[in-house]
This record gives sequence, C-alpha cells and structure tokens, in this order.
Amino acid sequence: DVKVTQSSRYLVKRTGEKVFLECVQDMDHENMFWYRQDPGLGLRLIYFSYDVKMKEKGDIPEGYSVSREKKERFSLILESASTNQTSMYLCASSFPPGQGYNEQFFGPGTRLTVL
Amino acid sequence: AQKITQTQPGMFVQEKEAVTLDCTYDTSDQSYGLFWYKQPSSGEMIFLIYQGSYDEQNATEGRYSLNFQKARKSANLVISASQLGDSAMYFCAMREGAGGSYIPTFGRGTSLIVHP
Repeated sequence: DVKVTQSSRYLVKRTGEKVFLECVQDMDHENMFWYRQDPGLGLRLIYFSYDVKMKEKGDIPEGYSVSREKKERFSLILESASTNQTSMYLCASSFPPGQGYNEQFFGPGTRLTVL
Repeated sequence: AQKITQTQPGMFVQEKEAVTLDCTYDTSDQSYGLFWYKQPSSGEMIFLIYQGSYDEQNATEGRYSLNFQKARKSANLVISASQLGDSAMYFCAMREGAGGSYIPTFGRGTSLIVHP
C-alpha cells in the first residue's frame, strides 16, 4: 500500500516560531504537494515539487517555503509562524502524468495551531 | 472564477438509500481528468474514482459511480446503498491538460451525513 506519513498529527506553536512540517512517501512518487485546508475553502495548494530540488509555487505560497532534498521527503517551512497560518496541512504525492490516473495519495494531515 | 464548483455544502441521506453529490467544472482543455476523494473525520483523503475526458463510459468503482455529462460539464458522484461509514467530506477535483506538472484543482467539498 502507498504510504504517506506526516511528522505530527497535532502541533501547537507560538507566533514568530519557525515551524517544520515533514512529509515522507514510500512509493517512489516524483510529484509531492503541500495543501492547507480551511473550513469552507477546500484544499488550497501551497507548493508542489515534481523532482528532487525542484519546487513550484501554488496558489498561496506567501509565508511558506519548502525543501526537497530527497525524493521521498518534502518539507514545508513556516519561517515565522503567524496566527493566520492556523490550519490543517495536508501532504500528497503522485506519479507523474502518463502513469495511471495520477491520483494523489494523502497523508493523515497536521493540524497546526499558532498562538 | 472557480474551476470546480460543489454547490451542496451539506447533504443528508438515509442508510441504504442512494445519494448524488454534485460537481461542475470549468475548463477549455479537451483532455482532462476528474477525481472524487473522500475525507473521513480522521482527516486522511482517500481516492474514490476517476473519469477521463475521453472516456465514453461512466466510471464505476463498487458502490461509487460517476455520472459524467461532458456537454454540461458535470461529474456527479453517485453512492448507492449508503452506509454509516460513508459519512464524510467529499471533494471533487480536476486535472487539466494531457501532461505537464499535474496540478489538480479541488472544489470546496460536500459534507455527507448518513442517518441510520
């Protein structure tokens, strides 16, 4: 089974802290994604990566950065956490186009609270 | 403008009955893919079903089927014989284009509650 894991299910941080959210997948997927999910807004793409050391901005990259040093690991970084970054963060991975349906496989999510 | 519209914030259905969750999409691409995902209260999104724009038959996966009406740009999810475990958020998503970096767009979701 495809497995996408995220480092924490729940996280509480203070305003101004640097926050790292880690995501690891074990299916050798080229594509990896970070979303945030807020009630009534669905999933909004923060960043995605289609290869090691490659990254592209999504719809809401402001206040976030990412790192992909290894194929299986994609990290989301909040350089200076703010209260408006309190949200559910979902990581996903998929094969590149041309392989299967390209459906995404998601991690369990990290619910981040910034106080 | 939203590319994926789910007009039903919440739906209720009686156990063992069928339910349809609406999804309309907007694209000018000829080649695209449509997905439905389920998100239980545990939080993990689960892929349910896929429909390609060139597929002539409606996709089916067990109790899930996708009512694909290309001219109307709709891709409704039909769940037959609802079960209590079907209570969850459901998201419709679209991937545009035949290739590229693959960036799906998600709707805002529909919350389904199945009553016993």
